[in-house]
Amino acid sequence: GQNIDQPTEMTATEGAIVQINCTYQTSGFNGLFWYQQHAGEAPTFLSYNVLDGLEEKGRFSSFLSRSKGYSYLLLKELQMKDSASYLCAAMDSNYQLIWGAGTKLIIKP
Amino acid sequence: DAMVIQNPRYQVTQFGKPVTLSCSQTLNHNVMYWYQQKSSQAPKLLFHYYDKDFNNEADTPDNFQSRRPNTSFCFLDIRSPGLGDAAMYLCATSKQTGNTDEQYFGPGTRLTVT
Repeated sequence: GQNIDQPTEMTATEGAIVQINCTYQTSGFNGLFWYQQHAGEAPTFLSYNVLDGLEEKGRFSSFLSRSKGYSYLLLKELQMKDSASYLCAAMDSNYQLIWGAGTKLIIKP
Repeated sequence: DAMVIQNPRYQVTQFGKPVTLSCSQTLNHNVMYWYQQKSSQAPKLLFHYYDKDFNNEADTPDNFQSRRPNTSFCFLDIRSPGLGDAAMYLCATSKQTGNTDEQYFGPGTRLTVT
């Protein structure tokens, strides 16, 4: 079956760095998306990886290892506004998104 | 700004009373999606349209129907809401299907069933 695993919740301190991991199993693979979702709001697109390696975009970076079925989202210089859920979604061979349940990130001062 | 709009943001309905949620987009995207998301769970795809071509997910209950009268608008009809249908309903769009375009989400409609 198709499956996404990510931690349910993480806590980090303002100004620090946090890494949110995601493992996936899909029928075929057409890339890995990360979305940010603030409580009660819609998901917003953060990143897309289809090739192995690290993609950096400001304070946020996303990494992919296709051979390991593994990705992570790295958030640097954490700000209070980064408190949100971070959803990992893998695209299968039919271009359908398989979504994780999200990792709730709590930032403490 | 081009966007995805959902109305209403909050909807309360009674058990068994039909309800319609609406979505519109100014992005001129070909694909529109309806997701159901319950608290701390992954969004669950209910169905999607590629232009007028309707695609129903295999496990979407018959209680859920959809209409797309034109490119801009898409509706979700819940014929007889049950307590288990209380959730956030998210509308999303993407330019095309069969590729890796990102999805753009509306703000969602939170449905309460009393």
